[in-house]
Amino acid sequence: AQSVSQHNHHVILSEAASLELGCNYSYGGTVNLFWYVQYPGQHLQLLLKYFSGDPLVKGIKGFEAEFIKSKFSFNLRKPSVQWSDTAEYFCAVNAGSGYSTLTFGKGTMLLVSP
Amino acid sequence: GAVVSQHPSRVICKSGTSVKIECRSLDFQATTMFWYRQFPKKSLMLMATSNEGSKATYEQGVEKDKFLINHASLTLSTLTVTSAHPEDSSFYICSASPTSGYEQYFGPGTRLTVT
Repeated sequence: AQSVSQHNHHVILSEAASLELGCNYSYGGTVNLFWYVQYPGQHLQLLLKYFSGDPLVKGIKGFEAEFIKSKFSFNLRKPSVQWSDTAEYFCAVNAGSGYSTLTFGKGTMLLVSP
Repeated sequence: GAVVSQHPSRVICKSGTSVKIECRSLDFQATTMFWYRQFPKKSLMLMATSNEGSKATYEQGVEKDKFLINHASLTLSTLTVTSAHPEDSSFYICSASPTSGYEQYFGPGTRLTVT
């Protein structure tokens, strides 16, 4: 069974700082990778996804993530965070088996101070 | 597009009673719907996967007789927590996957409190 680990449980940044959230997964086969965001009081929303092709994927709100197969990683980045990026971020993996079952990491709470 | 709703958003019930939570895909057809439980400061825990017209597949450790799932149409799935106890208090989230893809679209969640 696949598993997903997110290394940072809490991250605190000042506005305009750069962000990188780590995500590693364990699964030897083909994977689909996702980052979801949950803003305070709101539901989970898809930030970006990787299925195949260019390993550097761009999502909404200036976020991007890079799939590095050799490292089993899919880190999320943003060059300059804003206060409105304060949220919880979840990395998720689908084993690409044809079913859409996702395995989630435990989430990283990002707090951006103005 | 790809909106999923849940009803109710909050519910308080007495121990021993049953509670039904609805999950609807509003603008797409969902062959598969998922039910999660989210614990404070923990990740989403997948409870079960339901496919329209067939029995749900429950994850290990989830009691299927306690958490009844019905997926009667391509836009509606229901989760019924039977004989609820205080330890069932949690945030329950559903998601729906369109027939065409791997993505899941999440509902806003239902906060269940059992007194």
